Amino acid sequence: GNSVTQMEGPVTLSEEAFLTINCTYTATGYPSLFWYVQYPGEGLQLLLKATKADDKGSNKGFEATYRKETTSFHLEKGSVQVSDSAVYFCALITPGGTSYGKLTFGQGTILTVHP
Amino acid sequence: DSGVTQTPKHLITATGQRVTLRCSPRSGDLSVYWYQQSLDQGLQFLIQYYNGEERAKGNILERFSAQQFPDLHSELNLSSLELGDSALYFCASSARDTLTGELFFGEGSRLTVL
Repeated sequence: GNSVTQMEGPVTLSEEAFLTINCTYTATGYPSLFWYVQYPGEGLQLLLKATKADDKGSNKGFEATYRKETTSFHLEKGSVQVSDSAVYFCALITPGGTSYGKLTFGQGTILTVHP
Repeated sequence: DSGVTQTPKHLITATGQRVTLRCSPRSGDLSVYWYQQSLDQGLQFLIQYYNGEERAKGNILERFSAQQFPDLHSELNLSSLELGDSALYFCASSARDTLTGELFFGEGSRLTVL
């Protein structure tokens, strides 16, 4: 079955530091990959996505590149802000068949950014 | 604001009891999904409804059931509650199915079973 493995947190950074959160996956077929973010007290929201190999998703200064050869989708940001403090989830879906609704999520990585 | 509304936000109850969680999807969205978020299991897909019909089932216990009504709102019923059912239950919606992977999540209903 599908699975997503994220680097264990929590991750604590100072403002303007570089961020990397690792994500690797196991999936049958050709999955689409996503990063969701959950701010304190809120539901998850889509941050970025990539639907095929070598695609780069980007949003709000965050980037992630779909690497089929390493089955990875690492999240990066060049300069984090305090407002980026949240829980980040890597996720995948394999289209078609019985995959409806079955976004498979990683365990989540807590990011705390200090001023 | 995602446009997905969940009630109640917090619920405390005792073992053996039954509760109902309610979800109103974004206007126009036909699909509703339920997820359970707990510290040990992470975010687990429970069930999906599309336009009133069950579409997909995940790791949903037999003690749990759900339905989607003609007005597209959905309810998740949890019965014979156990301590381990304490979790944050999220509802999400999308216009059709999730082939695009973009779901819109509500803020969740936090269930505490004592």
